[in-house]
Amino acid sequence: QKEVEQNSGPLSVPEGAIASLNCTYSDRGSQSFFWYRQYSGKSPELIMSIYSNGDKEDGRFTAQLNKASQYVSLLIRDSQPSDSATYLCAVNILTSGAGSYQLTFGKGTKLSVIP
Amino acid sequence: EAGVTQSPTHLIKTRGQQATLRCSPISGHTSVYWYQQALGLGLQFLLWYDEGEERNRGNFPPRFSGRQFPNYSSELNVNALELEDSALYLCASSPDEWTGYEQYFGPGTRLTVT
Repeated sequence: QKEVEQNSGPLSVPEGAIASLNCTYSDRGSQSFFWYRQYSGKSPELIMSIYSNGDKEDGRFTAQLNKASQYVSLLIRDSQPSDSATYLCAVNILTSGAGSYQLTFGKGTKLSVIP
Repeated sequence: EAGVTQSPTHLIKTRGQQATLRCSPISGHTSVYWYQQALGLGLQFLLWYDEGEERNRGNFPPRFSGRQFPNYSSELNVNALELEDSALYLCASSPDEWTGYEQYFGPGTRLTVT
């Protein structure tokens, strides 16, 4: 089982709609969860972090975490064309080799917001 | 507050050569992480340094190595370059060794091997 899984997309939503991005992870012991936004040719930018079950809101962004289901999601309300980017889910996963936790990234979901 | 900085922005090398990439973390951060992002692939973890020591490395051959200096800056060395080493190399920093902290990325170094 892949450690962090995301739908690759592309996910297309009309301007003003809600974009919903999903991520599942393999390690039940994971405690830290992040969403990064990456524009083409640029480096990832941290947009949300969440550590507890439930919802966390920051402006137009809401992160949702369900540890029992090993599921984390990102909702973007009132989507704008400038939100068009690849969204990376990152989870702290126990790595068998070193026996320590390491931030592990999904391959990302490409979001396209259509004007 | 200045973010993570990396140099050079672009680097072109030929196969078999060595490449050195540099990173300065956010002021006050002691942990530095290196990642490789090859075209079409996700972010692959390379190396983690904290307080001058290598704490973990990803599934990469030994020709990928690095170090962290007393001022917490870091360099990544890639020896015997191969064509498949062409990628965006990203450095990230976090406040200390707890791996649950947020990581902040620099702009990256685009390495092209010809």
